[in-house]
Amino acid sequence: KAGVTQTPRYLIKTRGQQVTLSCSPISGHRSVSWYQQTPGQGLQFLFEYFSETQRNKGNFPGRFSGRQFSNSRSEMNVSTLELGDSALYLCASSPGGEKLFFGSGTQLSVL
Amino acid sequence: DQQVKQNSPSLSVQEGRISILNCDYTNSMFDYFLWYKKYPAEGPTFLISISSIKDKNEDGRFTVFLNKSAKHLSLHIVPSQPGDSAVYFCAASAASNTGKLIFGQGTTLQVKP
Repeated sequence: KAGVTQTPRYLIKTRGQQVTLSCSPISGHRSVSWYQQTPGQGLQFLFEYFSETQRNKGNFPGRFSGRQFSNSRSEMNVSTLELGDSALYLCASSPGGEKLFFGSGTQLSVL
Repeated sequence: DQQVKQNSPSLSVQEGRISILNCDYTNSMFDYFLWYKKYPAEGPTFLISISSIKDKNEDGRFTVFLNKSAKHLSLHIVPSQPGDSAVYFCAASAASNTGKLIFGQGTTLQVKP
């Protein structure tokens, strides 16, 4: 079974731009979660989608949004990028929401 | 407020010996706990988990112990191997918050040959 696939692997943007990250979950997994990892804050939960509905949300500003499609693939969008948004963005999938399997992440650098 | 804490930023052990990584939590609503291993610039890899109805779970060289009264869990790796060198994160979740894991800050384990 293929693992969680995230694209792109690396991304460089400038302040004020927006970015869209993509995630393909493990086949059959209906839950997709997104996390941000930074050196100072560690791994922090952004949001979780299950069957195209946002089921849970972390404490991030509205500039961070996401969606899930009928095939369970998910995207997250960050608008009006700030320097502090530079981070490793991780997507994880799960059959039902507890044991998460992570992708390799998208390393976002905001200049 | 850090709900999951790993108080030891680093740990160094000799190959073949036991590695013990510790984790404390404060939220009594947590009922599922996991350990992940992570290399730089990669996603965490699931190692082992335990439900709050158990106090021990084993998988090969890895054993997780849960002490609910102390709100403490630990991961034992026996015997430790150089390939185990990585950052280890403990994480916790509550049934009411599916898909949302609260992670500790991680412990860097170095296993010396």
